[in-house]
Parts: sequence; structure tokens; C-alpha cells
Amino acid sequence: GNSVTQMEGPVTLSEEAFLTINCTYTATGYPSLFWYVQYPGEGLQLLLKATKADDKGSNKGFEATYRKETTSFHLEKGSVQVSDSAVYFCALTFYGNNRLAFGKGNQVVVIP
Amino acid sequence: DTEVTQTPKHLVMGMTNKKSLKCEQHMGHRAMYWYKQKAKKPPELMFVYSYEKLSINESVPSRFSPECPNSSLLNLHLHALQPEDSALYLCASSQDEADLTDTQYFGPGTRLTVL
Repeated sequence: GNSVTQMEGPVTLSEEAFLTINCTYTATGYPSLFWYVQYPGEGLQLLLKATKADDKGSNKGFEATYRKETTSFHLEKGSVQVSDSAVYFCALTFYGNNRLAFGKGNQVVVIP
Repeated sequence: DTEVTQTPKHLVMGMTNKKSLKCEQHMGHRAMYWYKQKAKKPPELMFVYSYEKLSINESVPSRFSPECPNSSLLNLHLHALQPEDSALYLCASSQDEADLTDTQYFGPGTRLTVL
């Protein structure tokens, strides 16, 4: 079946550090890929997406590139802020399929 | 505008109560979703409405009853809930058009506590 794997455990880093959150997927075919962010006490917000191989999604300084050869969609940001503290979910879906497959999520804590 | 609104923001109910959660979108989306999210977990799909018809029910207990009165509104009726049903309930919508990547947009959620 289709699934998304995110690295285990929370991520704690200092302000202005470089952030990487790994996301790999297993799917038959070519899914669309998403990163959602959930701030404390809130719903999910779409952060960025990519719909085909080599597409790069970007928003608010975050980037992720759809890598078909490694089935990955890693999230990166060059200089994080305290306000980036949140839970980040990687997800995939297919054309014509209303189901989103989520990864387990990563808690990111940015320390001043 | 990619806004999905949900009311109420918080709800506390007893196991014998009947209550409803409401969701609204004005983006012209034709698919609407209910998810349940427990703490520190990803959302779990409960129901999907496509063009105002129930298209997916993920074996949700009958104490949860969805309703889609029109293409902009989605309700979730709650009756005889259990304490383990306490969670964040998220609504989402998407265009559900055949030629587009179907991006789901989420509302802020209703935090439900069942006593």
C-alpha cells in the first residue's frame, strides 16, 4: 500500500540553525506530495506541495524537492525561527483518490 | 482565499448529550472531509463527501453521523459518545476535480472533550 515514513523523534535546534526533516514514501505510481504544519492548538496548514518528479515546493523559507529516484521529499529551511516551532507532517495522495496518507509527524522545537 | 471555518472551537459534552460540529467553506470545493486527531498523532480519516454524497466511511461508529446539507456545509452529529472519543476533530475540503491535483485544506478544528 501507499505509506509515508518520517524520521523518528522530535527535532530540537537553536534559532538560525539549518532544519532538515526527512520524508520517504512507498507508492505504486507517482503521487502528489505535501508538507503540512500544525502550530500548537491549531489545525493543519498546507506548507508546500509538489505534484511531479523534480518539482520543488517552497513557502515561508521552507523548501522540498520531489525526488523520484530516492522516493523522498525532505523538508529544509536555512535559518529557523522560534515561530517555526510546530509539528510537521509529510503526506501523499493520488489523482482521483480522496485519501491522504500521512507520516507520523515531527515535533520541531526551536530554542532562542 | 483557502479558508475552512469550524464551530465551535471547543466543546465539552457528557456521554448522554447530543451535539453537532459544523464546518463551512466558500472556495467552491466539492469534496469535504472529517478527520479525528489524537494528541501527537496524524489525522485519521473518518468520512468523505464528494458532490454532497457520502463517498467514504472509514468504519466509523454510528454514534458519529455526518451530514452535508449543501456543497459549502458539513456537519458531524454526535450522540452517546465515549470518553475515548475526546480528540481534535478537523474538517477539510478540496476541489475534487478530475484534472487537478486534489489539495486538501484544513480548518482549525474543534477540540472535543467527552466526560
